[in-house]
Amino acid sequence: AQSVTQLDSQVPVFEEAPVELRCNYSSSVSVYLFWYVQYPNQGLQLLLKYLSGSTLVKGINGFEAEFNKSQTSFHLRKPSVHISDTAEYFCAVSEDSGNEKLTFGTGTRLTIIP
Amino acid sequence: GAGVSQSPRYKVTKRGQDVALRCDPISGHVSLYWYRQALGQGPEFLTYFNYEAQQDKSGLPNDRFSAERPEGSISTLTIQRTEQRDSAMYRCASSGNLGLAGAERYFGPGTRLTVL
Repeated sequence: AQSVTQLDSQVPVFEEAPVELRCNYSSSVSVYLFWYVQYPNQGLQLLLKYLSGSTLVKGINGFEAEFNKSQTSFHLRKPSVHISDTAEYFCAVSEDSGNEKLTFGTGTRLTIIP
Repeated sequence: GAGVSQSPRYKVTKRGQDVALRCDPISGHVSLYWYRQALGQGPEFLTYFNYEAQQDKSGLPNDRFSAERPEGSISTLTIQRTEQRDSAMYRCASSGNLGLAGAERYFGPGTRLTVL
């Protein structure tokens, strides 16, 4: 069964600084990887996803993530953050096994410091 | 167009009562998923449907939890004899791509359930 680990529960970052949110996964088969964002008092919104092909994936709001199969990682990055990026970020994985179950990590709360 | 909607948005109930949570997916979406999210945690898979068929219910915590989607559209998650530990945000998502594990799930706003 698949699993996701987000080691950082909270990440404070100064405005306009770069940020990396870490995500590692575990699976015995090929996977699809996702990053979702949850703004305060809102639902989950897809930031980006990796299905196949180029390991560098670009998403909305200037975010990107890189799939690293050997390190089983899918870290999320942004070169310069804004106050509006304050939110909770969830990494998720599904397996290419015919089952559509999506497994989420515990989330990372990103706080932007003015 | 309209997104995924859930009702009620907030539900407060007494321990031992039954509750029914409703999810209205995006029109035409064939796959529907239920998740539960405790405070400070990520969403936890409960069950999912393709059309009206329940494909996987391995995430339902116990037999007090059940879900149905009789006409392949609206779904209801029912919790019988609620307990305080059932308090959480219950989220529904839908997807338009049948059988694709990589398909984007569109999430609803959730139902906040509080069991007193």
